[in-house]
Amino acid sequence: EPEVTQTPSHQVTQMGQEVILRCVPISNHLYFYWYRQILGQKVEFLVSFYNNEISEKSEIFDDQFSVERPDGSNFTLKIRSTKLEDSAMYFCASSADDRALTFGSGTRLTVV
Amino acid sequence: GQQVMQIPQYQHVQEGEDFTTYCNSSTTLSNIQWYKQRPGGHPVFLIQLVKSGEVKKQKRLTFQFGEAKKNSSLHITATQTTDVGTYFCAGPGGSGNTGKLIFGQGTTLQVKP
Repeated sequence: EPEVTQTPSHQVTQMGQEVILRCVPISNHLYFYWYRQILGQKVEFLVSFYNNEISEKSEIFDDQFSVERPDGSNFTLKIRSTKLEDSAMYFCASSADDRALTFGSGTRLTVV
Repeated sequence: GQQVMQIPQYQHVQEGEDFTTYCNSSTTLSNIQWYKQRPGGHPVFLIQLVKSGEVKKQKRLTFQFGEAKKNSSLHITATQTTDVGTYFCAGPGGSGNTGKLIFGQGTTLQVKP
């Protein structure tokens, strides 16, 4: 079964450093998303991406965040200057029809 | 803003007992989705309901969408240890078709063998 692949599985970074989280969505999917989940809490929407542009973003997705699809397969989330409160599990997801989402296994980001 | 609420937050059952989680939205939804997240895992899509009053079954799981399309439920008959995890409902929260989902807080199910 096709999978959404995320790397790395765990990233530890110093506060103020930049991080890039990487995702390879399912190849024939057109819609891409980033969600995050703080430990033990609900899944929160960050951003959706379609046709090479952001289609919607949440209040969490401020100027410190950016997304890119640099080639035909990768989809990245960059956090420019990490804060302690950015520590969370970040899930990439993709969808063929903007309905059912297929999530990746996530990147656990720990900011110290 | 739009909210999706789930109850209960936790449920402990004996294996073989039934389990139900309830989901309520502050706004009418065009559809509702259910996801399951195993401990340490990622959300996995279970089902989408679209029609008012719709009922769908997947083996021991029964999903229902309310008549007003503001509430939904997931019922598991005769739970098994493999049912352990957190069940999330999620409704569209974006303006138009953006794929933005608003998730409920989830119901974490523990099953005692």
